[in-house]
Amino acid sequence: AQRVTQPEKLLSVFKGAPVELKCNYSYSGSPELFWYVQYSRQRLQLLLRHISRESIKGFTADLNKGETSFHLKKPFAQEEDSAMYYCALSGAGGGNKLTFGTGTQLKVEL
Amino acid sequence: DTGVSQDPRHKITKRGQNVTFRCDPISEHNRLYWYRQTLGQGPEFLTYFQNEAQLEKSRLLSDRFSAERPKGSFSTLEIQRTEQGDSAMYLCASSRDIEGYTFGSGTRLTVV
Repeated sequence: AQRVTQPEKLLSVFKGAPVELKCNYSYSGSPELFWYVQYSRQRLQLLLRHISRESIKGFTADLNKGETSFHLKKPFAQEEDSAMYYCALSGAGGGNKLTFGTGTQLKVEL
Repeated sequence: DTGVSQDPRHKITKRGQNVTFRCDPISEHNRLYWYRQTLGQGPEFLTYFQNEAQLEKSRLLSDRFSAERPKGSFSTLEIQRTEQGDSAMYLCASSRDIEGYTFGSGTRLTVV
């Protein structure tokens, strides 16, 4: 069974501080991992996927198969980063169903 | 193409009534997904189409729920004999093969 755990419901940081949103997963095969973001009053949108190995809006995430984690990081938080972040997992082959975590609300304070 | 469109945005219905939601995916996307999201939870998978074929259904999708995607274009999700537990945001998403999803804005269903 696929499972995604985001242990923090709310993460509050000051502007300019580093951010780490935690995500752990459970899956027996080779997963594809994603981060989705939902800004206030906007639709859910893809932030990044692990196979792309890219940095989007200053965010990066590394898949750690040993720790079954896919934490989202940004060195310096910006006010516009305040949003709801969801970690998601897809089974082998991708493009099929996603299993989402419960989400972490990131609040960046001035 | 303005992305994934869902209609209606909001629906309030009385318990026991039937409701139908529509999703128009991005035109070149061959995959279409339905998810349900309740307060404090992440989206939960309901069903998935590749072109017009419904390839997977979640156990969450009871026999009161049915989804179609005629001709591999738009999709409809119908809930028969609605219950208060069906109140949720129903999200549609589309993708081209194994690319990441594009989500619609969702249909918020309230069963009273």
